[in-house]
Amino acid sequence: GENVEQHPSTLSVQEGDSAVIKCTYSDSASNYFPWYKQELGKGPQLIIDIRSNVGEKKDQRIAVTLNKTAKHFSLHITETQPEDSAVYFCAASKAGGSTLGRLYFGRGTQLTVWP
Amino acid sequence: DSGVTQTPKHLITATGQRVTLRCSPRSGDLSVYWYQQSLDQGLQFLIQYYNGEERAKGNILERFSAQQFPDLHSELNLSSLELGDSALYFCASSAGPREYYEKLFFGSGTQLSVL
Repeated sequence: GENVEQHPSTLSVQEGDSAVIKCTYSDSASNYFPWYKQELGKGPQLIIDIRSNVGEKKDQRIAVTLNKTAKHFSLHITETQPEDSAVYFCAASKAGGSTLGRLYFGRGTQLTVWP
Repeated sequence: DSGVTQTPKHLITATGQRVTLRCSPRSGDLSVYWYQQSLDQGLQFLIQYYNGEERAKGNILERFSAQQFPDLHSELNLSSLELGDSALYFCASSAGPREYYEKLFFGSGTQLSVL
């Protein structure tokens, strides 16, 4: 099955700085890569996703990049704010395939933004 | 609010007991997924249902079972509970295969504590 590795496991940044979280995947057939944010006591919330036919996608302060050749993708958060503090998960899946939407998750990154 | 409802939020029980976790998917969603989240295993896929039928199985123990009812709500049954079953159990829903890149939306989870 798919194996998703995520780094770093913890990340501390000053408010206003940028944060970058990186993931690699093993199955070259994976073609859909969502990112989730999980706040304490809540379920994972979808914040952005990217498809394999796109190299980069941006939504306000959040951007994702994908390198299919190297099988890695990254989450970039600019102008970080204290409310960005949470655990972030990357995931991979084979859209339209036999796995029918099943997501394989990385182990998560605890992001702390200091005021 | 993701629109996915899970009950109960917390469950405390003893070893050897049986519990049932309930999930109502977002309105219109036909697929339901169950995930287990623990510190040592991360987010692990357990099982998926689509329109009442089991579609995929992951790392689900034989002591665990699930079903999706005609009204599309789902239940996860955990029996002969062990201390190691203590974890956060999440339900997620998606539109199903009619949406090629299926987006999964998670509930707030059920925190299970086995004493």
